[in-house]
Amino acid sequence: EAGVAQSPRYKIIEKRQSVAFWCNPISGHATLYWYQQILGQGPKLLIQFQNNGVVDDSQLPKDRFSAERLKGVDSTLKIQPAKLEDSAVYLCASSKGSLDLYGYTFGSGTRLTVV
Amino acid sequence: AQSVAQPEDQVNVAEGNPLTVKCTYSVSGNPYLFWYVQYPNRGLQFLLKYITGDNLVKGSYGFEAEFNKSQTSFHLKKPSALVSDSALYFCAVRDGPTGGYNKLIFGAGTRLAVHP
Repeated sequence: EAGVAQSPRYKIIEKRQSVAFWCNPISGHATLYWYQQILGQGPKLLIQFQNNGVVDDSQLPKDRFSAERLKGVDSTLKIQPAKLEDSAVYLCASSKGSLDLYGYTFGSGTRLTVV
Repeated sequence: AQSVAQPEDQVNVAEGNPLTVKCTYSVSGNPYLFWYVQYPNRGLQFLLKYITGDNLVKGSYGFEAEFNKSQTSFHLKKPSALVSDSALYFCAVRDGPTGGYNKLIFGAGTRLAVHP
């Protein structure tokens, strides 16, 4: 089966600019996650979707970050305006169902550098 | 809240020697534990998981992990390290109710360097 697709792979922007990332999960995976991985740290969950509904966005900085999952398939994550501390790898993951049974499948990530 | 800790930033081992990457956990209820590996410029790849059953869990690429309830640990092991095992390793714990919406909480990661 095809994996989780993310684009772009790399992005460099200036602070205060906006940026968007795209994720296409594995077909049939109802649950989609966006994680932020800052250099030297473990991934931190930003937002979790079940189909097209948000089930956890408690760690999403909502003043600048937004995410949507249209029709319960593709998802976009947006940052506006970006700050220097947003430099990180943004990982998308999807899950077929119960984590106990299936775990996550991760995409390769988008590396964002804010200058 | 559920959490995991990886006490070592980096582990160095010679090729052919056994390796151990440490992880301790703090959970309420039964722990559901995972190990993932990340190669440069790649996403995280699943290695193995402990849900219930045998304390020794076998996973991908010859890795195994030992669940120890009394020590609240879930250390990753391999009997004979390969240079190609060099990567970043993450321990993770499931957070959320059984049957409900769950997510993984990750540790900070341990860099494994296997020297020829």
